[in-house]
Amino acid sequence: SQTIHQWPATLVQPVGSPLSLECTVEGTSNPNLYWYRQAAGRGLQLLFYSVGIGQISSEVPQNLSASRPQDRQFILSSKKLLLSDSGFYLCAWSSLADTDTQYFGPGTRLTVL
Amino acid sequence: LAKTTQPISMDSYEGQEVNITCSHNNIATNDYITWYQQFPSQGPRFIIQGYKTKVTNEVASLFIPADRKSSTLSLPRVSLSDTAVYYCLVGRGGAGSYQLTFGKGTKLSVIP
Repeated sequence: SQTIHQWPATLVQPVGSPLSLECTVEGTSNPNLYWYRQAAGRGLQLLFYSVGIGQISSEVPQNLSASRPQDRQFILSSKKLLLSDSGFYLCAWSSLADTDTQYFGPGTRLTVL
Repeated sequence: LAKTTQPISMDSYEGQEVNITCSHNNIATNDYITWYQQFPSQGPRFIIQGYKTKVTNEVASLFIPADRKSSTLSLPRVSLSDTAVYYCLVGRGGAGSYQLTFGKGTKLSVIP
């Protein structure tokens, strides 16, 4: 069966510090991968998606970036965090054939102080 | 992308059937309707997906009228563990849509 991992589970970072969140998927190959952010009390916002190694599409311009160095690894980064980057970050995967059925990881709670 | 409208919140007693309706007046011919469930501090979980008429699985039923401008998620005999936020999404089923647009969802509170 497929599983998706994210780490760290929680993170507290000062403003201006860098960020690296990692997501890995097991049990499937060639998945589509997604990064979402959920601010407190709000819906999910799609940040990036990837259909293959090195292929990243950005949905929202901001100071975050994503990379996919391996087929089942997706990384979310920032060079300098802002207060507004605080939130719940979720990684998800889907098959190529059904992008409406996405499977989410446990998430990372990021607090920027 | 078709916009969806659903109630902000609903309350229900344990053991009752809960129906959450979602409006999607601008649904396109190729769009599917998908529902997700999210517990606090967890990622959303796929519940059910349909295109027309009725779909049933071990968790819920999804009713879609002929005009497909709305859909109803039905949860039979809810328990306290069904307390969660439920999202209705409309998107092009199959490959290529990529853009699941989650609104604020419906916060279901199950009361003992």
